[in-house]
Amino acid sequence: GAGVSQSPSNKVTEKGKDVELRCDPISGHTALYWYRQSLGQGLEFLIYFQGNSAPDKSGLPSDRFSAERTGGSVSTLTIQRTQQEDSAVYLCASSLLTGGMKFFGPGTRLTVL
Amino acid sequence: SQQGEEDPQALSIQEGENATMNCSYKTSINNLQWYRQNSGRGLVHLILIRSNEREKHSGRLRVTLDTSKKSSSLLITASRAADTASYFCATDASGTYKYIFGTGTRLKVLA
Repeated sequence: GAGVSQSPSNKVTEKGKDVELRCDPISGHTALYWYRQSLGQGLEFLIYFQGNSAPDKSGLPSDRFSAERTGGSVSTLTIQRTQQEDSAVYLCASSLLTGGMKFFGPGTRLTVL
Repeated sequence: SQQGEEDPQALSIQEGENATMNCSYKTSINNLQWYRQNSGRGLVHLILIRSNEREKHSGRLRVTLDTSKKSSSLLITASRAADTASYFCATDASGTYKYIFGTGTRLKVLA
């Protein structure tokens, strides 16, 4: 595709349910990042994938959060047993080279009721 | 703790004026990047400056980097209403390529 895509664009769920957020990076981009942004706030780093290396998971806020990147392309961020404080916009970005400029997707707005 | 922090948090100027935003960070870096965000969704990359560079230009944008002070500034000249957005700096913490974003500067350009 022409850019980074994310799905769904909006997700409303009930507290305690699991959710999966998907990111399709730009083809050929080796690095993939997940961030989340609460209303009016900055971006909070969650996780970073680089090629076949072990991901940097240091930003995941709890063990309810996990992410995978299959075949070095599509990534899925899973949040188990969602809580109201998980409500935020989840942004995915990819870059061609390590340390290069990042291309962001439009984000998934998650609302936990 | 935040790797990058921008100031001011908010800035309001008249169209045609220049806007300056600053970013401070804590550790050594490989490069520093500036992004713009409209309407709270996806970010757009503006400019990247490497740690061995001191100044970089792109159109109406001018970025400076002072590694001794661990700070950067973004200057937008001859601002337009369309420049209204939030601006973020991002740095890789301690050369890890884990890019951390600052808290952002909300710029409002009044027509």
